[in-house]
Amino acid sequence: GAVVSQHPSWVICKSGTSVKIECRSLDFQATTMFWYRQFPKQSLMLMATSNEGSKATYEQGVEKDKFLINHASLTLSTLTVTSAHPEDSSFYICSASRQGREQYFGPGTRLTVT
Amino acid sequence: GQQLNQSPQSMFIQEGEDVSMNCTSSSIFNTWLWYKQDPGEGPVLLIALYKAGELTSNGRLTAQFGITRKDSFLNISASIPSDVGIYFCVSGTASKLTFGTGTRLQVTL
Repeated sequence: GAVVSQHPSWVICKSGTSVKIECRSLDFQATTMFWYRQFPKQSLMLMATSNEGSKATYEQGVEKDKFLINHASLTLSTLTVTSAHPEDSSFYICSASRQGREQYFGPGTRLTVT
Repeated sequence: GQQLNQSPQSMFIQEGEDVSMNCTSSSIFNTWLWYKQDPGEGPVLLIALYKAGELTSNGRLTAQFGITRKDSFLNISASIPSDVGIYFCVSGTASKLTFGTGTRLQVTL
């Protein structure tokens, strides 16, 4: 149990376009979902936390207008990178938890902006 | 902000060797988690520690929650090739986790 999926697993987009990444909890209802970013050879950095039906809480330094997060249901959260630039290229990982318990991580989405 | 420093940063070991890595913080934590991340994948929880002094095993892995609550170590016994990956110590609360700097492990045959 406690499986989290992400789609797509990798995506290439052109500079200036937007790209949407989905995070789904497959076998449990996730009251909270988290989005992390990981640059090559670095650790995971929390970008934002979202509770179902509420606005996301962004970490300091993360632009909320650039990284749009929607958590419309208990099994789906989406991250949209708007007007992507090459410096947004990174590995984006989501996690999901139910009622304040352990976070289960997705397999990640590799974004390359050309 | 809170920072978890891991050492060593990376290590090359031979198959069959035991491995030890640790994690230190300037802050006190009530939970220590150890995750492993395979290349191109998300992290997977290995061991969770909830009490100071707690020693917990999961197969060939053993982790301890330091008595000062500012450190933790992870040991891997008799390493095998699939132990390759990045090991992260993680702490915080259920609503916010902080990842350590990571220890990259490479195992040679």
